[in-house]
Amino acid sequence: NAGVTQTPKFRILKIGQSMTLQCTQDMNHNYMYWYRQDPGMGLKLIYYSVGAGITDKGEVPNGYNVSRSTTEDFPLRLELAAPSQTSVYFCASSEGPPNSYNEQFFGPGTRLTVL
Amino acid sequence: GESVGLHLPTLSVQEGDNSIINCAYSNSASDYFIWYKQESGKGPQFIIDIRSNMDKRQGQRVTVLLNKTVKHLSLQIAATQPGDSAVYFCAENSLGDAGKSTFGDGTTLTVKP
Repeated sequence: NAGVTQTPKFRILKIGQSMTLQCTQDMNHNYMYWYRQDPGMGLKLIYYSVGAGITDKGEVPNGYNVSRSTTEDFPLRLELAAPSQTSVYFCASSEGPPNSYNEQFFGPGTRLTVL
Repeated sequence: GESVGLHLPTLSVQEGDNSIINCAYSNSASDYFIWYKQESGKGPQFIIDIRSNMDKRQGQRVTVLLNKTVKHLSLQIAATQPGDSAVYFCAENSLGDAGKSTFGDGTTLTVKP
């Protein structure tokens, strides 16, 4: 299994541009998550999904959109990039909810810079 | 608001010594806690977890202790090795917030040979 894969690894955007961060998992996990990690900080939840067709907001959803049309894929969309969105973005997945011994598996991250 | 925090941002230990990394949380409803290890340039990796009905759980070279009275948990690493150098995060969940984990800011552990 490849686990959780993310593309691209790095990206530089200009203010106002849009892009989609891709995330795919091959473990048939129901739950998927998007986090952002600012320098020297912990992870903050942007959006999560408990299954195909179902998404919900996390702690910092403003400026982002997600969709979950398949079990495997959970893309994150930035419509109007802003410097405040400069961060490292991690996608994760788990078989069940993370509140009951369901380990979250993380991808390698996408480093995004908005100039 | 709710928060999860680590007591010290950095910790330096000698190879072979034991390491203790601490974490405090504020949400009384938290009932599941996880420790993650994040190496440079990589995503977090699960180390060990514990439910609120336990006060201690052991893994291979790692032990997590939970004190619900003072809302504190710690990660103990025995015989610390250079490969243990990383940033360590605690995270908490509650049954009422299925899907949402709250992460602390991390402690950077440096192991000196």
